[in-house]
Amino acid sequence: GENVEQHPSTLSVQEGDSAVIKCTYSDSASNYFPWYKQELGKGPQLIIDIRSNVGEKKDQRIAVTLNKTAKHFSLHITETQPEDSAVYFCAARNTGNQFYFGTGTSLTVIP
Amino acid sequence: DGGITQSPKYLFRKEGQNVTLSCEQNLNHDAMYWYRQDPGQGLRLIYYSQIVNDFQKGDIAEGYSVSREKKESFPLTVTSAQKNPTAFYLCASSGFYNEQFFGPGTRLTVL
Repeated sequence: GENVEQHPSTLSVQEGDSAVIKCTYSDSASNYFPWYKQELGKGPQLIIDIRSNVGEKKDQRIAVTLNKTAKHFSLHITETQPEDSAVYFCAARNTGNQFYFGTGTSLTVIP
Repeated sequence: DGGITQSPKYLFRKEGQNVTLSCEQNLNHDAMYWYRQDPGQGLRLIYYSQIVNDFQKGDIAEGYSVSREKKESFPLTVTSAQKNPTAFYLCASSGFYNEQFFGPGTRLTVL
């Protein structure tokens, strides 16, 4: 089955700096890669995603890149703000419509 | 107001009891999922259903059961056979090959 690894597990940045979270996956047939933001006690919220036929996608301050050859994808947050502090999860979806999640990155933005 | 609802938000179970967690969606999604989240770990798949009257076991199905009698509903029963059920339970849904969205979660505690 699919195995998704996520790094780092914790990340602290100064407000205004950039944050990068990286994930790798094992199943080359996986074709869809979402990123979720989860605040304490709440369900994960989809913030951006990328499909396997695209290399990069941006939405305001967040962007995701995908390297299919290396089987890794990354989340980039620019101009970080305190409200970006949360746990972020990456995931990979296989052709059977099952999703496999990384173990999460706890991001703290220091004002 | 479209989305996924889960109830109750908090649930307490005594040893030896079965409890049922509710999940309802009005997004007209075919696929529904149940995940378990423990501190410091990612989301682990319990059961998923791609279509009404059909469901498959995920990675940690032992001690759990589900039904899918209606497209919009996917209840999860935590049985007494689940020895360590204290966790945060998340329900999700997705249209086939589309994004996956999560409900707000149910926190289950064993007394």
